[in-house]
Amino acid sequence: AQKVTQAQTEISVVEKEDVTLDCVYETRDTTYYLFWYKQPPSGELVFLIRRNSFDEQNEISGRYSWNFQKSTSSFNFTITASQVVDSAVYFCALSDFSNDYKLSFGAGTTVTVRA
Amino acid sequence: DSGVTQTPKHLITATGQRVTLRCSPRSGDLSVYWYQQSLDQGLQFLIQYYNGEERAKGNILERFSAQQFPDLHSELNLSSLELGDSALYFCASSLGGTAGYTFGSGTRLTVV
Repeated sequence: AQKVTQAQTEISVVEKEDVTLDCVYETRDTTYYLFWYKQPPSGELVFLIRRNSFDEQNEISGRYSWNFQKSTSSFNFTITASQVVDSAVYFCALSDFSNDYKLSFGAGTTVTVRA
Repeated sequence: DSGVTQTPKHLITATGQRVTLRCSPRSGDLSVYWYQQSLDQGLQFLIQYYNGEERAKGNILERFSAQQFPDLHSELNLSSLELGDSALYFCASSLGGTAGYTFGSGTRLTVV
């Protein structure tokens, strides 16, 4: 069963536009962790954020912000004032008790930022 | 540098061959996870080791095997390779499942 859904396959924006990536997850556990990773064209997986299920505070880190809503099982990611260097594939992932805290990844969203 | 070292970075081999991918976890991390990223399957969990013992298995083919050694480095062995095994193979390490994961830069395997 798909545990993490990233409905957007590809998003293309012009530089300086904001872009929001959706992530919906599914778990029956009360304790779980949510992650976002960035995969630039070079291929490595870059950790962006980890959030536990008990912390619903939104977080901002520079141009990045995350909106965690347990009521809708969503953990959305916004890039403000996008730049060409933001072009990458972004993965949302879930780690939960039922799955022995292994990472289950969504299919990824490819973001292309045009100059 | 993430602290997780994967070698080699690139590997090109022929169908039917066998290869070994190596992963050295971040210092202090006891768990090693292997993931396969292919174009059609996305990022798929293969197998996990914790302190030398197999902890969990995912979508790992019988032609694939892994082990974690006493020094905690891990090797993923892929045999009787097929074209469809071409993928990016990632290793990740963790102190424990709730502590977060650190990924290596991956090994890109091309089977020709």
